[in-house]
Amino acid sequence: DIQMTQSPSSLSASVGDRVTITCRASQSISSYLNWYQQKPGKAPKLLIYAASSLQSGVPSRFSGSGSGTDFTLTISSLQPEDFATYYCQQSYSAPRYTFGQGTKLEIK
Amino acid sequence: EVQLVESGGGLVQPGGSLRLSCSASGFTFSSYPMHWVRQAPGKGLEYVSAINSNGGSTYYADSVKGRFTISRDNSKNTLYLQMSSLRAEDTAVYYCVKVGAYAAVTTLDIWGQGTMVTVSS
Repeated sequence: DIQMTQSPSSLSASVGDRVTITCRASQSISSYLNWYQQKPGKAPKLLIYAASSLQSGVPSRFSGSGSGTDFTLTISSLQPEDFATYYCQQSYSAPRYTFGQGTKLEIK
Repeated sequence: EVQLVESGGGLVQPGGSLRLSCSASGFTFSSYPMHWVRQAPGKGLEYVSAINSNGGSTYYADSVKGRFTISRDNSKNTLYLQMSSLRAEDTAVYYCVKVGAYAAVTTLDIWGQGTMVTVSS
């Protein structure tokens, strides 16, 4: 199975900060990498697909990059509604998707 | 509006069975693969099972293989997960999820609200 490792596991930041979350795959997955946002008590929401493409309706302050084994999710200027948990997910071995363990983004 | 609505969760004793249902609307259900993804309390997301669009191919995580069965009824726009020999570690919110394809990469693009399954005596 392909393992996905996110760092950090948690992160404290302030409104207006630039934040980067990293996701590493245990083997090359090309650009088969998606990012999701989950708020407490809610289902996850697709943010970015194919490593760097923004899902429709997602604000442009979110961006993704990377290929192969190393990927990043960047939020250019944190807004209050961005405080949530973020997950990466590989679809290289579809349909047996695997997720990272999550990164909880908290208000400083 | 594209929507997935799960039902069937609840409290069940260890060793018991439960069937989850997921009713789909707002899209051509029969055209898309579907997944079940679960999330234990305070934990991350875990792939459970997947089924292709016509129901002819099914896939399971090792943790549920032989105990869970995924199926679908395209005439009723409904996805199912039959769970048996339930264990405490199966306690989780179970999400029904639609697969989307974007730029040749598959994603989990539409999620239901989830249904809670609690396995406890």
